[in-house]
Amino acid sequence: NAGVMQNPRHLVRRRGQEARLRCSPMKGHSHVYWYRQLPEEGLKFMVYLQKENIIDESGMPKERFSAEFPKEGPSILRIQQVVRGDSAAYFCASSPIGGGLNTEAFFGQGTRLTVV
Amino acid sequence: GDSVTQMEGPVTLSEEAFLTINCTYTATGYPSLFWYVQYPGEGLQLLLKATKADDKGSNKGFEATYRKETTSFHLEKGSVQVSDSAVYFCALSALNDYKLSFGAGTTVTVRA
Repeated sequence: NAGVMQNPRHLVRRRGQEARLRCSPMKGHSHVYWYRQLPEEGLKFMVYLQKENIIDESGMPKERFSAEFPKEGPSILRIQQVVRGDSAAYFCASSPIGGGLNTEAFFGQGTRLTVV
Repeated sequence: GDSVTQMEGPVTLSEEAFLTINCTYTATGYPSLFWYVQYPGEGLQLLLKATKADDKGSNKGFEATYRKETTSFHLEKGSVQVSDSAVYFCALSALNDYKLSFGAGTTVTVRA
Protein backbone atom coordinates (compact mmCIF):
# COMPACT_ATOMS: atom_id res chain seq x y z
CA ASN A 1 0.00 0.00 0.00
CA ALA A 2 1.71 3.13 -1.20
CA GLY A 3 1.95 5.97 1.26
CA VAL A 4 1.09 9.59 0.68
CA MET A 5 2.83 10.67 -2.51
CA GLN A 6 3.90 14.24 -3.07
CA ASN A 7 5.51 15.64 -6.18
CA PRO A 8 7.70 17.18 -7.09
CA ARG A 9 10.09 16.67 -4.19
CA HIS A 10 11.94 19.83 -5.06
CA LEU A 11 10.62 22.80 -7.01
CA VAL A 12 12.45 25.95 -8.01
CA ARG A 13 10.50 28.94 -9.22
CA ARG A 14 11.43 32.50 -10.11
CA ARG A 15 9.60 35.34 -8.41
CA GLY A 16 6.25 35.94 -10.09
CA GLN A 17 5.83 32.40 -11.43
CA GLU A 18 3.22 29.90 -10.33
CA ALA A 19 3.95 26.84 -8.22
CA ARG A 20 1.77 23.72 -8.28
CA LEU A 21 2.29 21.09 -5.62
CA ARG A 22 0.57 17.72 -5.89
CA CYS A 23 -0.50 15.26 -3.25
CA SER A 24 -1.96 11.80 -3.77
CA PRO A 25 -3.43 10.49 -0.50
CA MET A 26 -3.16 6.93 0.66
CA LYS A 27 -5.58 4.53 -0.93
CA GLY A 28 -8.95 4.74 0.78
CA HIS A 29 -8.25 8.13 2.37
CA SER A 30 -10.63 10.93 1.49
CA HIS A 31 -9.30 13.63 3.84
CA VAL A 32 -6.26 15.72 2.94
CA TYR A 33 -4.37 18.32 4.95
CA TRP A 34 -1.65 20.69 3.83
CA TYR A 35 1.03 22.05 6.17
CA ARG A 36 3.86 24.50 5.58
CA GLN A 37 7.21 24.53 7.34
CA LEU A 38 9.11 27.78 7.11
CA PRO A 39 12.85 27.71 7.92
CA GLU A 40 13.55 27.17 11.63
CA GLU A 41 9.83 26.77 12.41
CA GLY A 42 7.42 23.94 13.02
CA LEU A 43 4.83 22.75 10.53
CA LYS A 44 1.83 25.07 10.36
CA PHE A 45 -1.64 23.97 9.29
CA MET A 46 -2.86 25.53 6.06
CA VAL A 47 -5.97 23.79 4.78
CA TYR A 48 -8.16 20.71 5.20
CA LEU A 49 -10.02 19.26 2.23
CA GLN A 50 -12.33 16.40 1.47
CA LYS A 51 -13.17 15.31 -2.03
CA GLU A 52 -14.44 18.39 -3.89
CA ASN A 53 -14.82 20.38 -0.67
CA ILE A 54 -12.67 22.77 1.33
CA ILE A 55 -13.51 22.14 4.97
CA ASP A 56 -11.13 24.53 6.72
CA GLU A 57 -8.77 27.01 5.07
CA SER A 58 -8.10 29.07 8.17
CA GLY A 59 -4.32 28.66 7.78
CA MET A 60 -4.13 29.71 4.15
CA PRO A 61 -2.73 33.14 3.28
CA LYS A 62 -5.53 35.34 1.99
CA GLU A 63 -4.00 35.97 -1.39
CA ARG A 64 -2.19 33.95 -4.04
CA PHE A 65 -2.75 30.55 -2.34
CA SER A 66 -5.48 28.09 -3.28
CA ALA A 67 -6.10 24.39 -2.83
CA GLU A 68 -8.35 21.82 -4.39
CA PHE A 69 -9.08 18.13 -4.09
CA PRO A 70 -11.09 17.09 -7.14
CA LYS A 71 -13.24 14.01 -7.45
CA GLU A 72 -10.54 12.39 -9.57
CA GLY A 73 -6.83 12.98 -9.23
CA PRO A 74 -4.51 14.41 -6.62
CA SER A 75 -4.96 17.37 -4.34
CA ILE A 76 -3.26 20.49 -5.66
CA LEU A 77 -1.81 23.37 -3.68
CA ARG A 78 -1.36 26.31 -6.01
CA ILE A 79 0.69 29.40 -5.29
CA GLN A 80 0.41 32.24 -7.77
CA GLN A 81 3.03 34.94 -8.29
CA VAL A 82 5.45 33.37 -5.84
CA VAL A 83 7.68 35.55 -3.65
CA ARG A 84 10.86 34.66 -1.77
CA GLY A 85 8.90 34.35 1.47
CA ASP A 86 7.00 31.38 0.01
CA SER A 87 10.21 29.31 0.10
CA ALA A 88 9.41 26.48 2.49
CA ALA A 89 8.70 22.78 2.79
CA TYR A 90 5.07 21.93 2.08
CA PHE A 91 3.74 18.72 3.58
CA CYS A 92 0.56 16.88 2.74
CA ALA A 93 -1.15 14.41 5.04
CA SER A 94 -4.17 12.17 4.59
CA SER A 95 -6.51 10.26 6.85
CA PRO A 96 -9.46 7.94 6.36
CA ILE A 97 -11.75 10.11 8.49
CA GLY A 98 -11.65 13.69 9.65
CA GLY A 99 -10.14 13.58 13.10
CA GLY A 100 -10.58 12.20 16.55
CA LEU A 101 -8.65 10.31 19.16
CA ASN A 102 -7.96 7.26 17.03
CA THR A 103 -7.38 8.91 13.70
CA GLU A 104 -3.81 9.02 12.49
CA ALA A 105 -2.78 11.34 9.71
CA PHE A 106 -0.15 9.92 7.37
CA PHE A 107 2.33 12.37 5.92
CA GLY A 108 4.11 12.58 2.61
CA GLN A 109 7.79 13.38 2.12
CA GLY A 110 7.08 17.00 1.42
CA THR A 111 7.84 19.36 -1.46
CA ARG A 112 10.65 21.81 -0.92
CA LEU A 113 9.86 25.02 -2.77
CA THR A 114 12.66 27.48 -3.45
CA VAL A 115 11.86 30.86 -4.94
CA VAL A 116 14.81 32.60 -6.59
CA GLY B 1 -3.45 29.79 20.63
CA ASP B 2 -2.07 26.30 21.05
CA SER B 3 1.67 25.96 20.64
CA VAL B 4 4.55 23.56 21.15
CA THR B 5 8.13 24.36 22.12
CA GLN B 6 10.77 21.72 21.74
CA MET B 7 14.45 21.49 22.43
CA GLU B 8 16.62 22.97 19.74
CA GLY B 9 19.07 20.80 17.94
CA PRO B 10 21.05 19.46 16.45
CA VAL B 11 21.78 16.69 18.90
CA THR B 12 24.68 14.33 18.27
CA LEU B 13 25.06 11.16 20.32
CA SER B 14 27.09 7.99 20.35
CA GLU B 15 25.41 4.65 19.91
CA GLU B 16 23.87 3.25 23.13
CA ALA B 17 23.70 6.72 24.70
CA PHE B 18 20.57 8.01 26.45
CA LEU B 19 18.41 10.43 24.47
CA THR B 20 16.06 13.06 25.83
CA ILE B 21 14.27 15.66 23.74
CA ASN B 22 12.31 18.19 25.76
CA CYS B 23 8.86 19.32 24.68
CA THR B 24 6.48 21.70 26.44
CA TYR B 25 3.12 22.91 25.28
CA THR B 26 0.57 25.65 25.73
CA ALA B 27 -3.05 24.73 25.12
CA THR B 28 -6.55 25.29 26.37
CA GLY B 29 -8.31 22.21 27.63
CA TYR B 30 -6.75 18.79 27.36
CA PRO B 31 -4.96 18.25 24.08
CA SER B 32 -3.64 15.02 22.64
CA LEU B 33 0.14 14.93 22.37
CA PHE B 34 2.29 13.30 19.71
CA TRP B 35 5.83 12.63 18.65
CA TYR B 36 6.46 12.31 14.92
CA VAL B 37 9.72 11.18 13.35
CA GLN B 38 11.07 11.94 9.89
CA TYR B 39 13.82 9.61 8.69
CA PRO B 40 16.05 10.85 5.87
CA GLY B 41 14.18 10.96 2.59
CA GLU B 42 10.85 9.94 4.10
CA GLY B 43 7.63 11.55 5.28
CA LEU B 44 6.70 12.20 8.89
CA GLN B 45 5.59 9.08 10.77
CA LEU B 46 3.71 8.92 14.02
CA LEU B 47 6.11 7.56 16.64
CA LEU B 48 3.88 7.63 19.71
CA LYS B 49 1.00 9.51 21.28
CA ALA B 50 -0.80 10.12 24.57
CA THR B 51 -4.33 11.38 24.88
CA LYS B 52 -4.73 12.19 28.58
CA ALA B 53 -2.73 13.22 31.61
CA ASP B 54 -0.28 10.62 33.00
CA ASP B 55 -0.61 8.46 29.87
CA LYS B 56 2.66 7.06 28.60
CA GLY B 57 3.13 6.56 24.89
CA SER B 58 5.78 4.09 23.77
CA ASN B 59 7.09 2.63 20.54
CA LYS B 60 10.42 1.29 19.24
CA GLY B 61 12.05 1.81 22.63
CA PHE B 62 10.97 5.45 22.82
CA GLU B 63 8.73 6.71 25.62
CA ALA B 64 7.01 9.95 26.54
CA THR B 65 4.69 10.71 29.45
CA TYR B 66 1.91 13.31 29.33
CA ARG B 67 2.61 15.60 32.30
CA LYS B 68 -0.22 18.04 32.83
CA GLU B 69 1.35 19.71 35.87
CA THR B 70 4.46 20.68 33.92
CA THR B 71 2.72 20.84 30.49
CA SER B 72 5.43 18.60 29.10
CA PHE B 73 5.82 15.53 26.88
CA HIS B 74 9.53 14.79 26.83
CA LEU B 75 10.78 12.03 24.53
CA GLU B 76 13.28 9.51 25.90
CA LYS B 77 15.15 6.45 24.73
CA GLY B 78 17.54 4.53 26.89
CA SER B 79 19.95 3.27 24.24
CA VAL B 80 19.95 4.85 20.80
CA GLN B 81 21.07 3.22 17.57
CA VAL B 82 22.45 4.69 14.37
CA SER B 83 19.07 3.96 12.78
CA ASP B 84 17.44 6.43 15.18
CA SER B 85 19.09 9.30 13.34
CA ALA B 86 16.18 11.46 12.21
CA VAL B 87 14.25 14.67 12.84
CA TYR B 88 11.82 14.43 15.74
CA PHE B 89 8.72 16.64 15.98
CA CYS B 90 6.54 17.17 19.03
CA ALA B 91 2.92 18.04 18.22
CA LEU B 92 -0.48 18.51 19.79
CA SER B 93 -4.09 18.60 18.74
CA ALA B 94 -7.15 19.75 20.62
CA LEU B 95 -9.60 17.05 21.58
CA ASN B 96 -11.14 15.53 18.45
CA ASP B 97 -9.55 18.18 16.25
CA TYR B 98 -7.79 17.40 13.02
CA LYS B 99 -5.28 20.24 13.20
CA LEU B 100 -1.84 19.49 14.52
CA SER B 101 0.41 22.16 16.02
CA PHE B 102 4.07 21.23 15.66
CA GLY B 103 7.32 22.19 17.28
CA ALA B 104 10.25 23.20 15.09
CA GLY B 105 11.79 19.73 15.10
CA THR B 106 15.00 18.40 16.62
CA THR B 107 17.62 16.79 14.41
CA VAL B 108 19.26 13.81 16.08
CA THR B 109 22.40 12.17 14.71
CA VAL B 110 23.67 8.95 16.26
CA ARG B 111 27.28 7.98 15.53
CA ALA B 112 28.57 4.42 15.64
